[in-house]
Amino acid sequence: KAGVTQTPRYLIKTRGQQVTLSCSPISGHRSVSWYQQTPGQGLQFLFEYFSETQRNKGNFPGRFSGRQFSNSRSEMNVSTLELGDSALYLCASSLNRGPAETQYFGPGTRLLVL
Amino acid sequence: GIQVEQSPPDLILQEGANSTLRCNFSDSVNNLQWFHQNPWGQLINLFYIPSGTKQNGRLSATTVATERYSLLYISSSQTTDSGVYFCAVAPFSGGYNKLIFGAGTRLAVHP
Repeated sequence: KAGVTQTPRYLIKTRGQQVTLSCSPISGHRSVSWYQQTPGQGLQFLFEYFSETQRNKGNFPGRFSGRQFSNSRSEMNVSTLELGDSALYLCASSLNRGPAETQYFGPGTRLLVL
Repeated sequence: GIQVEQSPPDLILQEGANSTLRCNFSDSVNNLQWFHQNPWGQLINLFYIPSGTKQNGRLSATTVATERYSLLYISSSQTTDSGVYFCAVAPFSGGYNKLIFGAGTRLAVHP
């Protein structure tokens, strides 16, 4: 079974632009969570989607948004990019939504904002 | 919110040595996972272990939920074990499918 895939793998943008990242979960997985990894803040939870609805949100500004489609694929969008948004963005999928779900991570998208 | 502390922050080993990585957490959890992040950034699942002991080859893990800590053991380390090891938890009160990560242990194994 194929793992979690993320596109694009690398991205360079300039301040003020917006960006859309894509995540395809493992086949049959219905929950997708997004994380941001930076050297200063480490790995931080962004949000989680299940059944096309955002179910959980981390402490990030409204410039960060996402959505999930009926096939469970998810996108996240960052508008009005800032230098501090440079990071590795990781997507994780789980079979379902619950207290004991194992999360499986994709390879990530490295975003550089100039 | 819950605090997750990993120790040591850095570890340097000779190939063949054994090591123990520790993860302390400040509240009850219903999910605890150990990950290895390779040099390309991919987080690789090692163990799902909210309690008890598991083994997978040269790796094993133990979580004592009542005392709020987990240990990851690496035996006969190899250069391919190098990378960053993360402990991540989902607290009872934190909502589902939301992992809180520790800062990681950076392991370097030299030949």
